[in-house]
Amino acid sequence: AQSVSQHNHHVILSEAASLELGCNYSYGGTVNLFWYVQYPGQHLQLLLKYFSGDPLVKGIKGFEAEFIKSKFSFNLRKPSVQWSDTAEYFCAVMGSSASKIIFGSGTRLSIRP
Amino acid sequence: DAGITQSPRHKVTETGTPVTLRCHQTENHRYMYWYRQDPGHGLRLIHYSYGVKDTDKGEVSDGYSVSRSKTEDFLLTLESATSSQTSVYFCATGTSENTGELFFGEGSRLTVL
Repeated sequence: AQSVSQHNHHVILSEAASLELGCNYSYGGTVNLFWYVQYPGQHLQLLLKYFSGDPLVKGIKGFEAEFIKSKFSFNLRKPSVQWSDTAEYFCAVMGSSASKIIFGSGTRLSIRP
Repeated sequence: DAGITQSPRHKVTETGTPVTLRCHQTENHRYMYWYRQDPGHGLRLIHYSYGVKDTDKGEVSDGYSVSRSKTEDFLLTLESATSSQTSVYFCATGTSENTGELFFGEGSRLTVL
């Protein structure tokens, strides 16, 4: 069965600081990987996705993520955060042999102005 | 965003009563999902559907049932609501390509007293 771990539950940063949120997954085969963002009071929106090819993927709003197969990781990064990045971030995985999309427990990001 | 509407958006009910949440989509997406979101747990998959009358269990399916009699509607039923089912419920859809990219509804907040 597939699973996702996000070890950072709450991250607090100042504006312009760099961000890295960890995501590790467990699955024995090929995976599709995702980061979703949920702004306060809103539903989830896709931030970026990895299906295959270049392991470094770029998403919206300056976010990027790197798939490291050997580490079963898909960490989210942003070089310089803004106050508007305050949100909850979810990593998700879909194994190639299933339709299930499993989410991690989420990381709440708070940005100090 | 895909046209996904959830109803009701807010509901307060008492323990032991049946509750049905409806998800309606206008995008002709093949896949539909029900998740619940709880603090510290992120999103957990309840049930999903990969076509009309085709459904399967997710991570936390006990106490829930689903039905999909037509492409556009996916119903989630709590036969006898319990306080542990107090949560925010999100419906999501995925296209026939089954890439795992999801489009979310606005959520339904259910409180079981």
